[in-house]
Amino acid sequence: QITLKESGPTLVKPTQTLTLTCALSGFSFTDGVGVGWIRQPPGKALEWLAIIYWDDDKLYSPSLKSRLTIIKDTSKNQVILTLTNMDPVDTATYYCANVVADHWGPGMLVTVSS
Amino acid sequence: EIVLTQTPVSSVVTLGQPASISCKSSDSLVHTNGATYLSWLLQRPGQPPRLLIYQVSTRFSGVPDRFSGSGAGTDFTLKISRVEAEDVGIYYCMQARQFPTFGQGTKVEI
Repeated sequence: QITLKESGPTLVKPTQTLTLTCALSGFSFTDGVGVGWIRQPPGKALEWLAIIYWDDDKLYSPSLKSRLTIIKDTSKNQVILTLTNMDPVDTATYYCANVVADHWGPGMLVTVSS
Repeated sequence: EIVLTQTPVSSVVTLGQPASISCKSSDSLVHTNGATYLSWLLQRPGQPPRLLIYQVSTRFSGVPDRFSGSGAGTDFTLKISRVEAEDVGIYYCMQARQFPTFGQGTKVEI
């Protein structure tokens, strides 16, 4: 059974860096696999942030590229996202998902507030 | 960035009746490999999105056949042949020809 699970802080202060971890279970970074991060501000639409592929190729949202870093830890079967210089507008539920969007984690709400 | 525009923004539907959602893209979604990477997802309240349709018209595993997708190029449609109570939620189209983007969502209520 394929599962993804997000973890990280639920509250960060403005200007801090957010680090989120996505733990993968039931699949690993084999040929063609990609995992990404998506966020959803309260009451708003979904937004892809970043994707990392099995071969370490990475794609970033053009509007957030300067603030984002995505890496994978193959030995731990994890994908890690960092988002720098957090602002209250970054308050959102953050999801990790397979790049074809057929498997999602449950998501976690991250609030940015002083 | 490819922009997807969904219509309607919201829809009140009747149980047992059909429903339809449109998704228009700012650019063609046909990839150089010939595939068209347009998907449809449903997000029920308090849940992550769930994939319904991928590559325009292929139903994902376990998705009822009352859901169907169609379209080509820049214009796509999701149809529900007979709406059931469990179909309420927000529907999103998503493109993956370039860096993925979602439409703004269509809220479906009974």
